Amino acid sequence: QVHLVQSGAEVKKPGASVKISCKASGYTFTSYYIHWVRQAPGHRLEWLGIINPSGDDTTYAQNFQGRLTMTRDTSTSTVYMELSSLRSDDTAVYYCARHSYDYIATDSWGQGTLVTVSS
Amino acid sequence: EIVLTQSPGTLSLSPGERATLSCRASQDFSSSYLAWYQQKPGQAPRLLIYGASSRATGIPDRFSGSGSGTDYTLTISRLEPEDFAVFYCQHYGTSKLTFGGGTKVEIK
Repeated sequence: QVHLVQSGAEVKKPGASVKISCKASGYTFTSYYIHWVRQAPGHRLEWLGIINPSGDDTTYAQNFQGRLTMTRDTSTSTVYMELSSLRSDDTAVYYCARHSYDYIATDSWGQGTLVTVSS
Repeated sequence: EIVLTQSPGTLSLSPGERATLSCRASQDFSSSYLAWYQQKPGQAPRLLIYGASSRATGIPDRFSGSGSGTDYTLTISRLEPEDFAVFYCQHYGTSKLTFGGGTKVEIK
């Protein structure tokens, strides 16, 4: 079955960068776009952006333009999300999620990666 | 940009009762683009309903969705102990996802 497995928790200082991986299995990696979504404590789910694993094209939320980069490695079926110039309010659980065009929704999610930004 | 407003913020009910959750959008859109998710503490969201009214694979039939335009509803006909969680509505449009603020269904 479909699995998205994310890398482990990270602790970063303000101004640093973090790169999280999301390894896909159980389906054809290049056939499904991947979203990144985060959830800060006490806040709603927030969409960060989307990547096409087939063509490497991306769309980022306006709030993160300039400090967010999504990439993919088709040889390992892995997508990456890198966020730079971290601030304390970037502390959140970050999720990758597969987009299903059949459902027009995200049908499988990674387990989440906690990123803590603290001096 | 579409804004989704969920109500109530918290619903206190007993097992066996009916839960009715609302999601209101700031502008009209096709119901094809509305989904509902359940999230339990420490877990990722799980897709329940897509296209406003279709259950995802493996979702029990006590979960149902309805609505169109700007008003959408998730109904849980008889709450089971495992149903107590936070529920989110989601809109998909032009490669972007938007989420509501969530409704927590707690045990009364």
